[in-house]
Amino acid sequence: DGGITQSPKYLFRKEGQNVTLSCEQNLNHDAMYWYRQDPGQGLRLIYYSQIVNDFQKGDIAEGYSVSREKKESFPLTVTSAQKNPTAFYLCASTLGSGELFFGEGSRLTVL
Amino acid sequence: GESVGLHLPTLSVQEGDNSIINCAYSNSASDYFIWYKQESGKGPQFIIDIRSNMDKRQGQRVTVLLNKTVKHLSLQIAATQPGDSAVYFCAENPNSGTYKYIFGTGTRLKVLA
Repeated sequence: DGGITQSPKYLFRKEGQNVTLSCEQNLNHDAMYWYRQDPGQGLRLIYYSQIVNDFQKGDIAEGYSVSREKKESFPLTVTSAQKNPTAFYLCASTLGSGELFFGEGSRLTVL
Repeated sequence: GESVGLHLPTLSVQEGDNSIINCAYSNSASDYFIWYKQESGKGPQFIIDIRSNMDKRQGQRVTVLLNKTVKHLSLQIAATQPGDSAVYFCAENPNSGTYKYIFGTGTRLKVLA
């Protein structure tokens, strides 16, 4: 079945570590996104990519990095520069100005 | 379980009753809107969408109403069931050409047996 796969579902990070969240889609979508979800807030855009080898910062890009070397893959690295990384991270994709499909999310906790 | 959904407005309805969840959107240029359902610890699921050239759209047990004059969107769920308990939020596409959706904070729906 087509869809978006995020891994790992749960991840723990120590202070000063970088961690990478995986996002893979087999929907043949051009655009992919990373969102952060915190209690009581709407989804906030970290980075997005409309095409392979191109990506743009979203509203809260500081402390995060991404790559888009393949159409299917859009990994997110949470760097040590991100001061409050504990959150639920959601990856999404879309063909265009239509439905945004989401993965099941990755929960990052800082120890 | 996930802490997403804490501090959200909550709507409690009796099983079998109809539910109405509201959303005020921000951009008068937005041309596409989506309602999502999110269960604890899971990714958002698409429920129904509507484009700005429509006022109403119906799905199975769900109806979305769009009032562009006051920038208001509502989701109506008929005969609410226990499985409908979740956080519901709206998303708008501001038609900016960059596909940068804007999301509401969400409403928690609790279905009482």
